[in-house]
Order: sequence, then structure tokens, then C-alpha cells
Amino acid sequence: QVQLVQSGAEVKKPGASVKVSCKASGYTLTSYDINWVRQATGQGLEWMGWMNPNSGNTGYAQKFQGRVTMTRNTSISTAYMELSSLRSEDTAVYYCARGTRTFDFWGQGTLVTVSS
Amino acid sequence: DIVLTQSPLSSPVALGEPASISCRSSQSLVHSEGNTYLSWLHQRPGQPPRLLIHKISNRFSGVPDRFSGSGAGTDFTLKISRVEVEDVGVYYCTQATQFPRTFGQGTKVEIK
Repeated sequence: QVQLVQSGAEVKKPGASVKVSCKASGYTLTSYDINWVRQATGQGLEWMGWMNPNSGNTGYAQKFQGRVTMTRNTSISTAYMELSSLRSEDTAVYYCARGTRTFDFWGQGTLVTVSS
Repeated sequence: DIVLTQSPLSSPVALGEPASISCRSSQSLVHSEGNTYLSWLHQRPGQPPRLLIHKISNRFSGVPDRFSGSGAGTDFTLKISRVEVEDVGVYYCTQATQFPRTFGQGTKVEIK
């Protein structure tokens, strides 16, 4: 069965970077796009960007341009999202979600806490 | 960016009764190739979202048939024919016709 398993919770200081992983199983990573979506506590869903794991092509929401980088390692079926220059407002649960024209499978989420 | 506006934002429903959620888009969600990439997600507390409906009305694998989607262009609706306890949570519409992908604000369904 399709699964996306994300890395564990992180605590970072303002100005630092965080890199979250998303390991795919049950299908071939390169067959579907991977999106990253975040959700602050008690808030709605916010799309950050997408990556085509086959080509490595990416597209980022304007809000995150210059701060986010999405990559992959196809040999271990894993996608990554790195967010830099963290600030307190970046405290949220970060999800990876599979799909090009919808989000059909989601990771369990990774809580990133930014605190001094 | 395409803005998706959901209503109501909160919906107390008695068990076994129907529920309906509206999602209105600031622009047509019809893609140049003819498909409309409007989906519905359900999120239970403490859980990731899960896909219910894609391309307006297509139920995802394993989704009960009490869930149905309809609409066209800029107006879409999710209906639950008879609400069950497991249906509580927040429902989001989302579009993948244009970048950036966007989500509605969410509609909280709770048992009355």
C-alpha cells in the first residue's frame, strides 16, 4: 500500500534551517509529484510548493521563494523539503502529499517548532 | 491566486442527518484541457488530511458512497447524505487547476 513516512519532530532556533524528509513506499517515487503543505496549530492548510521527483523540477509558492528548497534522492525513494531563515511564524506541522492534480496520499506530518 | 471560499465555516449536524458544504472559487477551475481539478479533503483532529473527492465528483478509493461532490466552473458542493460519528472534523476544498495550489478555509463538521 502507498505510504509516505516523514521524519520526526524538530525544534529550531530563529534563523536556523530545517530539512524534513518524506520516504515513499508502495509505489515508485518518480511516478508522481510530491507537494509540501504546512498547517499552523488550529489553522488551515497552506501549499508551499511541488517537485517532480523524476526530473527534479520544482515550483514554489511566492511566499517561500528564496527560503525553500525541495530535493529528492531516488535511490532511497525519499523527498526532502528544506526551509531556511526560520522565524516563529514557521512553527507548524509540515506535510508531504503525493499528486499532480490532487493530493491523494499524505505523510503523517512533521512538527517544526521555532523557538529561542 | 485563486481564492476558495467555503461556507458554512461550522456545521453542527445530528447523526443520520445530511450535511452540505459549499466552495466558491474566485476564478473558473476549468483547466485548458477541459478537466476541473477541484478536490475535497477531510481532516480528523490530530490526523493528516485524506482525500475524499477529486475532479469535482470522483470518490477516492475506499470513500463511502454517502459522500458526493457536484458543481461546475466556480461553484462546488460536498454532500454527506447521512452524517456518522467518524465524519466529524474539518473539510477543505482545494484546487489544482492553477499554481499556486490553494485551499478553502475549512468547514468544521461536528455532531449536534
